[in-house]
Amino acid sequence: DTGVSQNPRHKITKRGQNVTFRCDPISEHNRLYWYRQTLGQGPEFLTYFQNEAQLEKSRLLSDRFSAERPKGSFSTLEIQRTEQGDSAMYLCASSLGQFEAFFGQGTRLTVV
Amino acid sequence: AQTVTQSQPEMSVQEAETVTLSCTYDTSESDYYLFWYKQPPSRQMILVIRQEAYKQQNATENRFSVNFQKAAKSFSLKISDSQLGDAAMYFCAYRSASTGNQFYFGTGTSLTVIP
Repeated sequence: DTGVSQNPRHKITKRGQNVTFRCDPISEHNRLYWYRQTLGQGPEFLTYFQNEAQLEKSRLLSDRFSAERPKGSFSTLEIQRTEQGDSAMYLCASSLGQFEAFFGQGTRLTVV
Repeated sequence: AQTVTQSQPEMSVQEAETVTLSCTYDTSESDYYLFWYKQPPSRQMILVIRQEAYKQQNATENRFSVNFQKAAKSFSLKISDSQLGDAAMYFCAYRSASTGNQFYFGTGTSLTVIP
């Protein structure tokens, strides 16, 4: 296992389209996080899974965003009816218990 | 919610010199973890160093060390013998030991290493 893997690395989509991103965490890690990062800013929390259960979701997160982690393995983040303001880097991270999180390389979304 | 503040948007250091990056945080909890992450341009975020709040001893990892002042809620990162590869964005992060459901990040410090 070489770390957290995210696909695709880049996504360009037209406004109003739906997009889905995938994250494969480190295999033994039970916790998985999604963050969003815009240029010049720190990562902003979106949602958190412990195994397959989604335990926390940011109140800032629009209903257009949904995430799943079936069987507690990989996770998907879907954005429906994309808007230009959704353009950002979407980061996935995983951890074992409450130790440090390991991040993937991110998916850069551009909405045109 | 906890807040993490990095008051230095940009810093620069001469190669082989020492630089200190500042971080303060606000929390009412007594047990938590603090982290410094490094994010090189167009590269993934990697952990530099971790500090448990219950430990009085400051963490050290090779050329990287922290100055953890719990009462002052301060957590600075010292980079000794700076190298060109240290150039990156550095983020300070906080995580509760009790809830631990998310990491709270600062806005980052962009470090430039001058040859």
